[in-house]
Amino acid sequence: QVHLVESGGGLVKPGGSLRLSCAASGFTFGNYYMSWIRQAPGKGLEWVSYISSSGTTKYYADSVKGRFSISRDNAKNSLFLQMNSLRVDDMAVYYCARSTPTDYWGQGTQVTVSS
Amino acid sequence: QSALTQEASVSGTVGQKVTLSCTGNSNNIGRYAVGWYQQIAHGAPKTVMFGNSLPSGIPDRFSASKSGTTASLTISGLQPEDEADYYCSTWDYSLSGVVFGGGTKLTVL
Repeated sequence: QVHLVESGGGLVKPGGSLRLSCAASGFTFGNYYMSWIRQAPGKGLEWVSYISSSGTTKYYADSVKGRFSISRDNAKNSLFLQMNSLRVDDMAVYYCARSTPTDYWGQGTQVTVSS
Repeated sequence: QSALTQEASVSGTVGQKVTLSCTGNSNNIGRYAVGWYQQIAHGAPKTVMFGNSLPSGIPDRFSASKSGTTASLTISGLQPEDEADYYCSTWDYSLSGVVFGGGTKLTVL
């Protein structure tokens, strides 16, 4: 059974940093490309970043380009999102998602950016 | 403004058939498979269709189709538990990224 479990969210001041993690199980992680998708309070779903199965290809939404960095460790079945220079409008629940179109989602981790 | 256009709200009665639409262009829906996601009360999204595939555990009253640059999700035999927000998404060739619709709030009367 596929499981995606995010962690690393929390409260951070504007300009601060956070590193999100996603632990994958129940499938061959290294065979799938992965994404981070977020949802701000009261808003719709917004794609953040994508990484290929090998980790060599990465794409970012314009809103996070230059501030966020996606990576993965296939040996540890883990996906990461390093978030720097956080802004108030980055505040959201962040979901780890498998494939495009997404077939499996994690339960999400809350990121709060506030002074 | 979302890259994909969905109805803001749709309603139907129990047992009715409803269709939700998702309109894009030749760089996204016209080229790639579309995913449909159900989100109940702001919980984690759940995939109800990806491409033409019905995920395990999703009832077969859900179906999807695509014509040109418009994708559709049809729910036949609407049930009270289908009341949720529904989002569509796909890859966009020109943006090199995933695009989402703004979501449709489905109300079961």
